[in-house]
Amino acid sequence: QVQLVESGGGVAQPGRSLRLSCTASGFTSSSYGMHWVRQAPGKGLEWMAVIWYDGSDKYYLDSVKGRFTISRDTSKNTVYLQMNSLRVDDTAVYYCARMRTGYHSGWPYFYFDSWGQGTLVTVSS
Amino acid sequence: DIVMTQSPLSLPVTPGEPASISCRSSQSLLHTQGHNFLDWYLQKPGQSPQLLIYLGSNRASGVPDRFSGSGSGTDFTLKITRVEAEDVGVYYCVQTLQTWTFGQGTKMEI
Repeated sequence: QVQLVESGGGVAQPGRSLRLSCTASGFTSSSYGMHWVRQAPGKGLEWMAVIWYDGSDKYYLDSVKGRFTISRDTSKNTVYLQMNSLRVDDTAVYYCARMRTGYHSGWPYFYFDSWGQGTLVTVSS
Repeated sequence: DIVMTQSPLSLPVTPGEPASISCRSSQSLLHTQGHNFLDWYLQKPGQSPQLLIYLGSNRASGVPDRFSGSGSGTDFTLKITRVEAEDVGVYYCVQTLQTWTFGQGTKMEI
């Protein structure tokens, strides 16, 4: 059974750092790309970052480039999100999600197929 | 980043009646290969988002045929021919042409 469990959330002051973890079970996470997606209170989903299955590629939302870093430790089946220089508007529930690849007419497409339960990050002075 | 705009943001529906959600992107999502890189997800209350439509108009496995996606370029629509009670939740369009961007979400409720 596929399971993703996020941890590491909490309260941080503006300008400080937090590292989130997403531990996978029920599948080999090194075979899948992994995303971080967040949801601010009362708001919709916002994609943050993705790391390719082999770590070869990483992409970020423009507003977090240079502040957030996605990484993975395949030996621990875990993906991380290092968040530095936190801002009040980073307050949100952070979810990790697995990326699956489908094929349509021979063309690959990527979609989110499994999500964790989320971890709450509150940035406040 | 590509900006995705959904409307309406709130959609009261009646079971058995049709429903429609619009999604517009700030840039064309039509790839030179001919596919529109636009997906639709439904997040039911208390659940994770589930894929409904991929590449603009293709139903994901197990999705009822009352759901359909259409559009091309910058304008897309999700239609439900006859709403059922289990369809309530928040619907998101997502562009996948340049990384990923979600729309604001449309809350459908009966």
